[in-house]
Amino acid sequence: SAVISQKPSRDICQRGTSLTIQCQVDSQVTMMFWYRQQPGQSLTLIATANQGSEATYESGFVIDKFPISRPNLTFSTLTVSNMSPEDSSIYLCSVETGFNEKLFFGSGTQLSVL
Amino acid sequence: DAKTTQPNSMESNEEEPVHLPCNHSTISGTDYIHWYRQLPSQGPEYVIHGLTSNVNNRMASLAIAEDRKSSTLILHRATLRDAAVYYCILSNFGNEKLTFGTGTRLTIIP
Repeated sequence: SAVISQKPSRDICQRGTSLTIQCQVDSQVTMMFWYRQQPGQSLTLIATANQGSEATYESGFVIDKFPISRPNLTFSTLTVSNMSPEDSSIYLCSVETGFNEKLFFGSGTQLSVL
Repeated sequence: DAKTTQPNSMESNEEEPVHLPCNHSTISGTDYIHWYRQLPSQGPEYVIHGLTSNVNNRMASLAIAEDRKSSTLILHRATLRDAAVYYCILSNFGNEKLTFGTGTRLTIIP
C-alpha cells in the first residue's frame, strides 16, 4: 500500500498567479500521475511524472501551463501556472506501487481561481 | 484505449446486494478490468480488478462474462458508506495509465 500526502488541501488564488501542489508518498513508487477533476466531472489525466526525466503530458496539457517535477521516487510537484477561473478544479496525485498494480490517490487539492 | 459504458446512476437499499454493470465490447485480450470508487470529497480508491476469471476480495466481487465484453461489480451487502461514484476502467498490460469514464453514481437508500 501507499499513503499519499497532498498539499495544500485547498486554496483560493487570484488569476494570473501560480500555485505549486506537492505530493509526498510514504514509500518509493515507480509511477506517479497527476489528474484533474473539473466540477461535476470525471478525472482527466494530465501527465505522468517520470523520475529523473521530463514528465509525459496527455493531449491538451502542456509543460508551460503545468510544469511537473519528480526529483526522487517519493515526491512530485505540479504547478498550475498563470491561472484563470477555468483552472478551478480538484487536482489529484496518484501513484502505482508496482507493475500493473492498483493506483493509490491523494485526497486532492481543491483550487478556486478568482 | 478500449471504452466502457456504465449507467449514469443506480439506487439500492441498504443491506441488500448491489450489481453494477459495465459493458466493454471492444476489450482486447490483454486488457484488465479495474473498478475504482470515489466517495464524496475524496480521491478514488481501488475496489477490485481482474482479467478473465471472477475475483473476490473483502470489498466486492467481480464477475466477468465468458466473452469478456461485460462485467459486473457486486457489493454483497450495501451500507450507507458504499454511496459513491463507481468507475469501470480498462487498462492494457504494460500501460499503467487509467482513463476514467463518467462512472455510475450509486445511491444507498436507508
